[in-house]
Amino acid sequence: KAGVTQTPRYLIKTRGQQVTLSCSPISGHRSVSWYQQTPGQGLQFLFEYFSETQRNKGNFPGRFSGRQFSNSRSEMNVSTLELGDSALYLCASSPIQGSDTQYFGPGTRLTVL
Amino acid sequence: KQEVTQIPAALSVPEGENLVLNCSFTDSAIYNLQWFRQDPGKGLTSLLLIQSSQREQTSGRLNASLDKSSGRSTLYIAASQPGDSATYLCAVRPWNTNAGKSTFGDGTTLTVKP
Repeated sequence: KAGVTQTPRYLIKTRGQQVTLSCSPISGHRSVSWYQQTPGQGLQFLFEYFSETQRNKGNFPGRFSGRQFSNSRSEMNVSTLELGDSALYLCASSPIQGSDTQYFGPGTRLTVL
Repeated sequence: KQEVTQIPAALSVPEGENLVLNCSFTDSAIYNLQWFRQDPGKGLTSLLLIQSSQREQTSGRLNASLDKSSGRSTLYIAASQPGDSATYLCAVRPWNTNAGKSTFGDGTTLTVKP
C-alpha cells in the first residue's frame, strides 16, 4: 500500500506570494492533518480535515487555510507569505478522525526569501 | 499550557551501547504519550504509544516508560545500531482532545557510530 505523498517536496517563494501544498493520504484513510515544523517552534499542529470538513484547528493566523476533496486528498494554502513561514510542512493521514495512529508523509520544505 | 522538553538535544554513542532518551512534560493530565522517529528528509514514524493508564510499552529493542506524577517518559534503546541514527521526538496528548492537539518536544538527535 502506498504511503502518504506530498507535493512538491521543495519550494522556494518570496515574501507576499501565496503557496499551495498538496497531500495524498494512504488509500482508504479519510483524515488528513497538517503540521508545521521549524527549528524554533518545533512541530505544531495546523489543522485536521475529515470527510471534507475541517474538524480541528491549531493556533495559526487566517493566512493558513486548507481543504479536503471527496477523494480525501488535501491541500494547504498559505497567503501573503512571511519569512517566518519557512518550514517543513508535514501531512499525516489516519483512517478515522482524531486517531493517535497517524502516518506521516515526507513533508514539503518551504523556503520564503 | 503544556510544555515538553527533551534533553539532550543531541547524543552520540558507539554501536552496541544501551541508551536512554528523556522527555519531560509540565502538565500531568495527559491522555497518552507517543514516541516518534524522524529520519532526514522524511516524515515521522510512530515507535511506541503509552496510554495514561500504562507504565511502559515495549517493541523489539525499544522500551518506553511513563511516570505521570513526575512528568517524565524515557525511551530506552538496547544494543544500539547505526540504523538507529535519527531524531527522536515525544508527543504528549492532553486529556479529552484530538490527537492533533498533541504537544511535541524538539527532539533528540541520535548518532550511533559504527
